[in-house]
Amino acid sequence: AQKVTQAQTEISVVEKEDVTLDCVYETRDTTYYLFWYKQPPSGELVFLIRRNSFDEQNEISGRYSWNFQKSTSSFNFTITASQVVDSAVYFCALTGGSQGNLIFGKGTKLSVKP
Amino acid sequence: GAVVSQHPSRVICKSGTSVKIECRSLDFQATTMFWYRQFPKKSLMLMATSNEGSKATYEQGVEKDKFLINHASLTLSTLTVTSAHPEDSSFYICSAREGTYTEAFFGQGTRLTVV
Repeated sequence: AQKVTQAQTEISVVEKEDVTLDCVYETRDTTYYLFWYKQPPSGELVFLIRRNSFDEQNEISGRYSWNFQKSTSSFNFTITASQVVDSAVYFCALTGGSQGNLIFGKGTKLSVKP
Repeated sequence: GAVVSQHPSRVICKSGTSVKIECRSLDFQATTMFWYRQFPKKSLMLMATSNEGSKATYEQGVEKDKFLINHASLTLSTLTVTSAHPEDSSFYICSAREGTYTEAFFGQGTRLTVV
């Protein structure tokens, strides 16, 4: 069965600190996609990244970076020099099922304090 | 990215009434739409998968007669919560995708409060 584990329930950092959000997944599929979404207090889900299972290159987008390691089934997300606006719940997700619906982790609530 | 519009964003209704939530893909044709439910401080749980022109596929434990899903066109899916009860109060989010394994775009979500 497919599963996404985000072991960190809540993280609190001070502005300008770097922070890494962990994501570990389980799947028997050979082809799959991994996602990260941000959910600010307003509730909407903001897409951050999609990575397919064949592309293990790390990706950097501004202050965000992602480390995908198939050997450990992990897809960790790092925010460099965090800002207050980064405060949100972050979800890691995995495609699953024949229809391709997303299976979400339980989310990590990040609080960045000034 | 593509836009998925969900309406209304908030709704309060009385117990026993029905509420309809709309999910529209504005600039692409969504062959598949998904409906998720999120309890406070919890993750998103898939309720059902909706394919245009066919009956929705519901996840185990989700009552089909209570949560009616209609996907009448490639740009619109609706979720109707029938005979709503306070325990149906939740945050409902739809997502749409154009094809298999493409990026899933999410609506803004609907916060339903049943009083």
